[in-house]
Amino acid sequence: QSVLTQPPSVSGAPGQGVSISCTGSSSDIGAGWNAHWYQKLPGTAPKLLIYASILRPSGVPDRFSGSKSGASASLAITGLQAEDEADYYCQSFDPTVNGWVFGGGTKLTVL
Amino acid sequence: QVQLVQSGAEAKKPGASVKVSCKASGYRFTGYFLHWVRQVPGRGLEWMGRINPDNGGANYARKFQGRVAMTSDTSINTGYLELRSLRSDDSATYYCARDDGDYSAQRWGQGTLVTVSS
Repeated sequence: QSVLTQPPSVSGAPGQGVSISCTGSSSDIGAGWNAHWYQKLPGTAPKLLIYASILRPSGVPDRFSGSKSGASASLAITGLQAEDEADYYCQSFDPTVNGWVFGGGTKLTVL
Repeated sequence: QVQLVQSGAEAKKPGASVKVSCKASGYRFTGYFLHWVRQVPGRGLEWMGRINPDNGGANYARKFQGRVAMTSDTSINTGYLELRSLRSDDSATYYCARDDGDYSAQRWGQGTLVTVSS
């Protein structure tokens, strides 16, 4: 059972938008720690999409955006493309375990 | 450029140990924590622990305590993950990742597949 809670799956048609939620607790996101988001494709290492809850690393399209409120964070993807079909993971820090915590992952299907 | 290059795939029998390496280049190795994350087939990402290469201090996820050791060799800019008493459910791809200082990681190793089977 993952520490951060994500929906198992979301879907959307090409060109549409989706949002993926990530719910934490008073130990992690709710304690003020940032959320980070990764895209995971089969056979490849996770790719950082959003860090510090809202920031995009260089090279990540602005179709990807992040937000945070209270103990939850969200990843929004607009203008869905077939190449966005992947698993998405949120991650934060929990000082009570002195380490990272992950969500269970959300599978995005582009219809 | 920053790179993390991991050692190759391993096949082990139950009860054995495995040691995976992660060679860093392109940055000051002692300046950043190194994390280890694994993914069991069909499952999500799982944090195993982290090491501070500057002083060798490590902390581990509770699930792996007693069975895992993370070390580093600053002379060759390499981190290591050792997992002991392997079980079949330890079959997974293991990744190293460099903490960017804000508890996120833009740089990851390519992954090392460990297969545990009798």
